[in-house]
Amino acid sequence: GAGVSQSPSNKVTEKGKDVELRCDPISGHTALYWYRQSLGQGLEFLIYFQGNSAPDKSGLPSDRFSAERTGGSVSTLTIQRTQQEDSAVYLCASSSKAGGIVTQYFGPGTRLLVL
Amino acid sequence: SQELEQSPQSLIVQEGKNLTINCTSSKTLYGLYWYKQKYGEGLIFLMMLQKGGEEKSHEKITAKLDEKKQQSSLHITASQPSHAGIYLCGATQGAQKLVFGQGTRLTINP
Repeated sequence: GAGVSQSPSNKVTEKGKDVELRCDPISGHTALYWYRQSLGQGLEFLIYFQGNSAPDKSGLPSDRFSAERTGGSVSTLTIQRTQQEDSAVYLCASSSKAGGIVTQYFGPGTRLLVL
Repeated sequence: SQELEQSPQSLIVQEGKNLTINCTSSKTLYGLYWYKQKYGEGLIFLMMLQKGGEEKSHEKITAKLDEKKQQSSLHITASQPSHAGIYLCGATQGAQKLVFGQGTRLTINP
């Protein structure tokens, strides 16, 4: 079946602009995660959604970052007033359940470059 | 918080040679994941280990978790160009997220 998909695959934007990144999880997966991968910081957790529960936003680096998940499926990560340090690969993952030991399956990522 | 340290950071081996990548945790591991990353492909799930002493193999890749559940190794036998990429170990932290090591960049020379 189809894996996790993300769009766009690449995004170049100017400092100060807003960007939206999209994630389509694997069909039937109830949990969705966003991570950021940058040269200096490695792979970092950003936010987690599980069903209709309130998301775990503990990894969001600032209030310029927000995410939503509509209808328990597609998720959008929004970065407002982008800064050069936001340049990174943004990865989305999904899993079939929350809690315990579950495998997260990752999408190909969105490469964001802020000029 | 849990930290994962991978070694080596980079590795260059001749095609056909064996190699090992290590992942050491600052805390007991309750779920240890190995992923491989290639440009444009995101992270590809390889294996997950839970029990102390557990060992899993897939094709020419074997992963082990030590008895104390603080160290894991990934061993590749008779390496091939297709094995090239970045290998990442990840561990569950709470129920919601994974923490990752810094990755090991593997290059296979023909």
